[in-house]
Amino acid sequence: GNSVTQMEGPVTLSEEAFLTINCTYTATGYPSLFWYVQYPGEGLQLLLKATKADDKGSNKGFEATYRKETTSFHLEKGSVQVSDSAVYFCALAGSTLGRLYFGRGTQLTVWP
Amino acid sequence: DGGITQSPKYLFRKEGQNVTLSCEQNLNHDAMYWYRQDPGQGLRLIYYSQIVNDFQKGDIAEGYSVSREKKESFPLTVTSAQKNPTAFYLCASSIGARDQPQHFGDGTRLSIL
Repeated sequence: GNSVTQMEGPVTLSEEAFLTINCTYTATGYPSLFWYVQYPGEGLQLLLKATKADDKGSNKGFEATYRKETTSFHLEKGSVQVSDSAVYFCALAGSTLGRLYFGRGTQLTVWP
Repeated sequence: DGGITQSPKYLFRKEGQNVTLSCEQNLNHDAMYWYRQDPGQGLRLIYYSQIVNDFQKGDIAEGYSVSREKKESFPLTVTSAQKNPTAFYLCASSIGARDQPQHFGDGTRLSIL
């Protein structure tokens, strides 16, 4: 079946620190992979995506590379800001058209 | 601007009462979804619909019902059979293709009085 495992939080960092949030997946076939971000009291916003092996998604300084050999899609940012404080969700789209499978989310707090 | 509108933002339910959460989209998307979010549990799929007049159960459909009479609307009813309805409910829509993302509304927070 399809599933996503995310690094458990919360993650607390100082401004300008390096961020990694680990995400691994189990899927049949070749899924598409996504990172979403959720700010307090809001819905989810797409952060980045990758649709095939070795693709790198990037947006707003965040990056993630689709690694088929390690079934991973880790989120990274070189220098976090206070405004990056949010909950981050890793998700995969499997064989059922449009259906997403989400990880449990990782709370990130960045201090000035 | 195109988007998804959920209403109300906050909703209170009395014991034994059914309540309906509204979700409307003007993105011309075929597929729509309802998720439940509880602290520390991520998002769990309640129902989804890939086309008008058709919908499928997700992972936690018990105690919920939906309809899809129009492409732009996908209301969710939380029935009295749902024993633990307090949660944050998110509606989403997409083109329905595997490589395309879902777009989310801002959610409805449901609480029990």
